Amino acid sequence: DVKVTQSSRYLVKRTGEKVFLECVQDMDHENMFWYRQDPGLGLRLIYFSYDVKMKEKGDIPEGYSVSREKKERFSLILESASTNQTSMYLCASSHPGELFFGEGSRLTVL
Amino acid sequence: GENVEQHPSTLSVQEGDSAVIKCTYSDSASNYFPWYKQELGKRPQLIIDIRSNVGEKKDQRIAVTLNKTAKHFSLHITETQPEDSAVYFCAASPLRGNDMRFGAGTRLTVKP
Repeated sequence: DVKVTQSSRYLVKRTGEKVFLECVQDMDHENMFWYRQDPGLGLRLIYFSYDVKMKEKGDIPEGYSVSREKKERFSLILESASTNQTSMYLCASSHPGELFFGEGSRLTVL
Repeated sequence: GENVEQHPSTLSVQEGDSAVIKCTYSDSASNYFPWYKQELGKRPQLIIDIRSNVGEKKDQRIAVTLNKTAKHFSLHITETQPEDSAVYFCAASPLRGNDMRFGAGTRLTVKP
């Protein structure tokens, strides 16, 4: 079974804090993704990566950055968290083809 | 980039009826069209997908149709059951799949 693991299921942070969301996959997948899920807006692509040290902006990259130093790990960074970044964050990986999602990280920014 | 639109946003059917969800896409380079089901509190999971060289694909009670000329694709669920109740997402990407965009989702409710 493909496993995509997100390090934190629930986080509560203060405005202005730096936030790291970690994602690890165990299937040697080339592609990794970060999506944000909000009611009525579906899954919006923040960043994706198709190789180590490679990254591409998705539709809503503002306020976020990413890091992919190793093939199995893709990190999402909020340099200075804001209340409008309160959301569910989903990591995914693919071979390519089918996306395999993590459990999600629910972030609340106060 | 790709833009995927999905309709309806909510759909309520009686058990045993059929359900149809429709999506349109904008980028003619897209040639891979998956559908994901997300049950409450769980991660999205692939239920069926179709590639652009195929017009229709069926898997038991689920079928997907694709019209590349019109840039739209649809999910059909027949003989719906209460366990089909979930949020369904369509998506589109190039075949290499490293640029996957999703629709806004359809909340399907199947009433017993």
